[in-house]
Amino acid sequence: AQKITQTQPGMFVQEKEAVTLDCTYDTSDQSYGLFWYKQPSSGEMIFLIYQGSYDEQNATEGRYSLNFQKARKSANLVISASQLGDSAMYFCAMREISSGSARQLTFGSGTQLTVLP
Amino acid sequence: DAGVIQSPRHEVTEMGQEVTLRCKPISGHDYLFWYRQTMMRGLELLIYFNNNVPIDDSGMPEDRFSAKMPNASFSTLKIQPSEPRDSAVYFCASSPYRGLGGELFFGEGSRLTVL
Repeated sequence: AQKITQTQPGMFVQEKEAVTLDCTYDTSDQSYGLFWYKQPSSGEMIFLIYQGSYDEQNATEGRYSLNFQKARKSANLVISASQLGDSAMYFCAMREISSGSARQLTFGSGTQLTVLP
Repeated sequence: DAGVIQSPRHEVTEMGQEVTLRCKPISGHDYLFWYRQTMMRGLELLIYFNNNVPIDDSGMPEDRFSAKMPNASFSTLKIQPSEPRDSAVYFCASSPYRGLGGELFFGEGSRLTVL
């Protein structure tokens, strides 16, 4: 089974509007961390935001927020006031502490976001 | 502060040749990871180290791949002999220990093309 599922291969959003990128995860762990990364066309991986499984508040970092719904096992990324520079591939990732590989991140397949002028 | 430094950025080689990718992690980070990115398989963990010791190499495709971390500031990923299916972007990343958190800091990647 996929650990991280990103069901939207591609998304379009108008500049200055908000967009939600979906991410669902599968784990039996009680302790886990969820991460979002951005990969622009230049190829580097840029960390955006982190949410711990025990965090009661949804994480926010500037225009990025994470809509964390634990019971539904979803960790959607919300980008407010989209900018042209937000056009990139976005990856959701998870760290499971109780698994044998406690420090690695498992990545989803990504969502290609295009911001339209 | 310098980020994770990888070399070479691009490598084109012929099938059967040896390829060595290099990585310098961020100073003070306890963990170093090697990932491979392809269109078909996405981002896959190959191996990771904790304090220079390999912890999980279950993602290493086969015996043609090997990785070493002789000290805290240097790691190599070697492919010998290389095959066309090894063509991918290879990322090195490092991370501090921060419990559940501690994001991975990625290098810019090494794009390998095996002809």
